[in-house]
This record gives sequence, C-alpha cells and structure tokens, in this order.
Amino acid sequence: KQEVTQIPAALSVPEGENLVLNCSFTDSAIYNLQWFRQDPGKGLTSLLLIQSSQREQTSGRLNASLDKSSGRSTLYIAASQPGDSATYLCAVEGGGSNYKLTFGKGTLLTVNP
Amino acid sequence: DGGITQSPKYLFRKEGQNVTLSCEQNLNHDAMYWYRQDPGQGLRLIYYSQIVNDFQKGDIAEGYSVSREKKESFPLTVTSAQKNPTAFYLCASSIGTVGTEAFFGQGTRLTVV
Repeated sequence: KQEVTQIPAALSVPEGENLVLNCSFTDSAIYNLQWFRQDPGKGLTSLLLIQSSQREQTSGRLNASLDKSSGRSTLYIAASQPGDSATYLCAVEGGGSNYKLTFGKGTLLTVNP
Repeated sequence: DGGITQSPKYLFRKEGQNVTLSCEQNLNHDAMYWYRQDPGQGLRLIYYSQIVNDFQKGDIAEGYSVSREKKESFPLTVTSAQKNPTAFYLCASSIGTVGTEAFFGQGTRLTVV
C-alpha cells in the first residue's frame, strides 16, 4: 500500500527566505506526483505536476523535483512572501493505486513579514 | 470560467438524516472523485468515477453513495450509516487517463448537530 510522508509538518520562516518542503513515498512505481496548496477552509490548488519520466518542473518561484527511484520529491520556494503562507500537500498516483491520488498530511508553512 | 463547483459550502445534518453534496464540473473531464479530509490526516478517497454510469469504491466508501448520470455531475450522499460524517469533503476531476492532473473544488464542510 502506497504511503506518503511530508516533512516537516510545520515550518515558520521570515519573509524573503528560500525554503524546501520534502515529500517521500514508499512505492516508486508511480505515474506522477502533484503538489497542491490549500488555504484555510478552502479547496486544493494545483501547483505543479511531475510525470514519472520527468526530474523537475518549475512555475514562477516554485520548483519541484522528483527522484522516483529513491521515492522522494522536494518543493523549493524562492524568496518566500507572506502570501505563500498555506498548507502544502504532496500526492502521488500509482504504486498500486491507479486513478487515485495518495496524499501526505501536508506541511503548514508560515511566512512572517 | 472552467472549474469545479461544490455546493453548499456549509451543511448541517441531524443524526439519522441523509444529506447530498453537489459537485459539478464544466471542464469536460471524464473522471471525478470524492475525498474526505479530517484534521491531522491526509485526504482519503471515498468514491471515484471514470465514466458516466460507472463508479468504484475508494478506501472509505462505507456509509456513502454516489451516482454518475451525467458527465458533469457527481453527487455524494452521506447516509445515516456513516457513523462519523463530520468532515471537509472535496470533489475533484481529471481528464481520466492515468497520470493526468487533478483539479479540486472549494469543498463542503459537513457538521452533524
């Protein structure tokens, strides 16, 4: 059964700092990995999708990498801003669970002005 | 604007009642999903549908039912058999082939009173 772990569970940084969020998964036979952002009481916003054949994806100040063989992904946020404060969720498709996403519990990020 | 619309945003249920959560999408996606989110836990899959008139149970289907009579609609009924229904419910959709990006609605918060 696929399991996804996100470390740290919470992170507080000053504005302007670069930061890394970590995601690991137990079964490397995945189709893709997706990073989401969730604001309090809201739905999920898709940030980046990395296919299993890809190593990284970039969108603005966000860069996500994927090392499928080791079961790891990182989300790098450059020059963090208070508006980046949210919960970041990692999810994988595959590893025995086709057509559905297995989610980690998320990292709660707070960027202080 | 294309997207996924969930209604209502807040829903209160009395003990022993069935309630139905609405999910509509205008993205022309074949696949639709229902997830449940509880504090401190990752999202868990309730039901999913890859095509009209077909759906499969997810990891926590007991006490829930769904229908998929139209491509754009995937309502979820929380029955009285669900012992702990208080949670945040999220609907999602994707093109439907393995490895494609999932998009989420804004969620419905269900509370038992």
